[in-house]
Amino acid sequence: QKEVEQNSGPLSVPEGAIASLNCTYSDRGSQSFFWYRQYSGKSPELIMFIYSNGDKEDGRFTAQLNKASQYVSLLIRDSQPSDSATYLCAVDVYSGAGSYQLTFGKGTKLSVIP
Amino acid sequence: ETGVTQTPRHLVMGMTNKKSLKCEQHLGHNAMYWYKQSAKKPLELMFVYNFKEQTENNSVPSRFSPECPNSSHLFLHLHTLQPEDSALYLCASSPEARGALYEQFFGPGTRLTVL
Repeated sequence: QKEVEQNSGPLSVPEGAIASLNCTYSDRGSQSFFWYRQYSGKSPELIMFIYSNGDKEDGRFTAQLNKASQYVSLLIRDSQPSDSATYLCAVDVYSGAGSYQLTFGKGTKLSVIP
Repeated sequence: ETGVTQTPRHLVMGMTNKKSLKCEQHLGHNAMYWYKQSAKKPLELMFVYNFKEQTENNSVPSRFSPECPNSSHLFLHLHTLQPEDSALYLCASSPEARGALYEQFFGPGTRLTVL
């Protein structure tokens, strides 16, 4: 059973602080890693993807990948109340015949306190 | 219309009803997906279509029947559902389903309630 684990939270941070969201995965063959944001009652929207070890920055968001430790994280700098949402980690898992499936974690609920 | 659209947005049905969910993508993608999202559970992949061919069926009960007439449209036909099937059903699309590099774009979902 290929799994993606996240702390369910809620993770509460004050406005302006750095929010750190973590994710571990079990399939060593995974190559693509995604962070989705899901507001309550809405569908997931892609905010970051990372394929290589190291850091990838996009505005206030930084994704970090460590394949040796099977660990991927998302940092949100200068957190804003509008960042309050559930963050889903998704990892591609090989399902055979050249196909990959995205396996999602349960998500971490982030609350940014004004 | 842009992105991925789904209709209806809300659906209440009895256990003996037959209904269908519709998804349409306007992104020129070749792969489409059905997911189920229940409370306190991760997104569950149900079906994958790549270039109109079904490539994945994740042990979904036969009371859920997908149909993909072309790369832009995807349906989920529902019949004799159970109350535990109540959930948010999400459609997604991506450029293709083969290979490790792809990003999925989600529709707004259909909130299904089975009475």
